[in-house]
Formats: sequence, C-alpha cells, structure tokens
Amino acid sequence: QVQLVESGGGLVKPGGSLRLSCTGSGFMLRDYYLSWVRQAPGKGLEWVSHISPSGEETYYGNFVKGRFTVSRDNAKKSLYLQMNSLGVEDTAVYYCARDVAVYAMGKFYYGLDVWGQGTTVTISS
Amino acid sequence: EIVLTQSPLSLPVTPGEPASISCRSSQNLLHGNGKNFLDWYRQKPGQSPQLLIFLGSHRASGVPDRFSGSGSGTDFTLKIRSVEAEDVGIYYCMQALQTQYTFGQGTKLEIK
Repeated sequence: QVQLVESGGGLVKPGGSLRLSCTGSGFMLRDYYLSWVRQAPGKGLEWVSHISPSGEETYYGNFVKGRFTVSRDNAKKSLYLQMNSLGVEDTAVYYCARDVAVYAMGKFYYGLDVWGQGTTVTISS
Repeated sequence: EIVLTQSPLSLPVTPGEPASISCRSSQNLLHGNGKNFLDWYRQKPGQSPQLLIFLGSHRASGVPDRFSGSGSGTDFTLKIRSVEAEDVGIYYCMQALQTQYTFGQGTKLEIK
C-alpha cells in the first residue's frame, strides 16, 4: 500500500523550533520529489516546500524567509522539515505529498498524488 | 508568484445536477512541452486533500469519469457531470509550473 505518514507535530512557544518527519512506504521514495503543504485552521492549502530526490534542489514558499529547512534521508525513506523561529501564523496541519517522479528517461509530473494524514503544529504561548 | 483565482467560492448544487468551478491564473501555465501545469484537488471534511485532475485534464487513478478538467494557458475549469452527495468538500486548483507551487483559495461545494 502506497502511503506517507507524518509525525513530529506538537505545541511550541513562539520563537521555538520543531522538526517534522514523513515516512514513505509502498513505493520507491528515492525516485520522487516530495512536497510539504500546510493548512491553517479554517483556511486553505498553502504550499511550503519541496525537495528533489537527491536532496540537492530545495524550494520554499515566500513566507518561509529562511526559517525552514527541508531535507531527506532516502535510506530511511524519510522526509523532514526543520522549522525555526516559529510564529503563531505557522499554526497549521502540515502534510507531506509525493511530487514529481524522476526516472532514467526524465522527469514526470502526475500531480501531488499521494498525501499523508497530516501532523498538527500549534504555536502558542 | 503565480496567483490563482477560483470562482465561485461557494457552490450549492442539487444532486444529479452539473457543477463547474473556474480557476484563473495570473500567468500562463502552458509549459514549452505543451502541457498545462494545473491540478485540481478535493478535500473532504476532516480528510487530507485528494488529487482529482493533473496537467489540466488528466484524471487521477480511481477518480470517477464524472469529473473532467479543461482549459489552457490562464483559464481552467473543473466540471462534475452529475453531482453526488459524496462530492461535498472544498475544491482547490494548484499550479506546478513554477518551482514555488501555489493554490487557489478553494471552492466549497455543498449539497442543496
């Protein structure tokens, strides 16, 4: 069964840090870009970041402003999001999602076709 | 940053009737390879988002054929041929042309 499972969410004070994890199973995680998407309470979806299969390419939403770092460990089939200098505006459910597939013949985009169940991050004093 | 504008934001529909959601982009989403990098997602209450349509018009695996996507460039449409009760939720378009993906505001579909 193809799935992604997030963990690491919790309650953090403003200015604090948190590291989210996402573990994949049922597919070759090392062949895919992976994305983070978040959703603040009662709000819409907001794309956060994504990372290439090798980890060499990383991209972030404008609001990140150097506070977040995405990384991955393909041997552990895992994706991470290190979040620093957290503010109340970062309170959200954070989802990981499978992104672009990269094979020997090239890159293939099929949408964000697999999503985790999400992990909740609450920033409050 | 590419801005996506959806309309309507609220869509009450009678079961069995068709529904249509528009997504307009501030920039052309047609790649040089001829593909439009625009997806549609649905989020049912309390659930994770689910991919419905990718690259403008391709239905994702397992998505019923009553869902269809069309459009090119800056104007896109998601159509539901005959709405069912299970189709309630919030529908989002998302562009993947730029490396910084962006979502539309969402359209809430409810059953009359």
